[in-house]
Amino acid sequence: DTGVSQNPRHKITKRGQNVTFRCDPISEHNRLYWYRQTLGQGPEFLTYFQNEAQLEKSRLLSDRFSAERPKGSFSTLEIQRTEQGDSAMYLCASSPQQGAQNTEAFFGQGTRLTVV
Amino acid sequence: DAKTTQPNSMESNEEEPVHLPCNHSTISGTDYIHWYRQLPSQGPEYVIHGLTSNVNNRMASLAIAEDRKSSTLILHRATLRDAAVYYCILRNRRQFYFGTGTSLTVIP
Repeated sequence: DTGVSQNPRHKITKRGQNVTFRCDPISEHNRLYWYRQTLGQGPEFLTYFQNEAQLEKSRLLSDRFSAERPKGSFSTLEIQRTEQGDSAMYLCASSPQQGAQNTEAFFGQGTRLTVV
Repeated sequence: DAKTTQPNSMESNEEEPVHLPCNHSTISGTDYIHWYRQLPSQGPEYVIHGLTSNVNNRMASLAIAEDRKSSTLILHRATLRDAAVYYCILRNRRQFYFGTGTSLTVIP
């Protein structure tokens, strides 16, 4: 297992277009997180999945954002009608179920979105 | 949301110890204190975590105040590869709460 994989690594899109990012967590990791990071800031929480259930959503996750994790494996994050303010690094992380917050989380390399 | 407060930046000479402080006065009893570091254009990388007791691993040590309202990450001998943004994080069952981080510069 090579860790958390995110695709694509970079995405440039025109304002108003829809984009979808994919995250493949470490096998057997039940917990999956999405974060957004803008330049010079720390990552901001977007949403959390435990298996296929989306258990937590941030106020930052507007109606234009939707995340899924079918079958509790990979996850997708879709942004509809992109705006320039959506330009950021989108990070995915996973961690095992056992131990909850007493475990290490593994982050992917992120997807860099640029909206022009 | 639980918050952490860290200095924006710190400098250290190479091969000297570095103490990175963090305040988290609103920590709850079930929050774990985690530290991650991040290089430019990379995802955050785990460094260390703890609940109440001080912790050591091959990368660093974590000193936690008795009242748990502050903690200190200790790098025993800073190397150039330790230059990064270090985040002090409170983790509960559903979220990580990142602060703004401390940018560490290591001077050769």
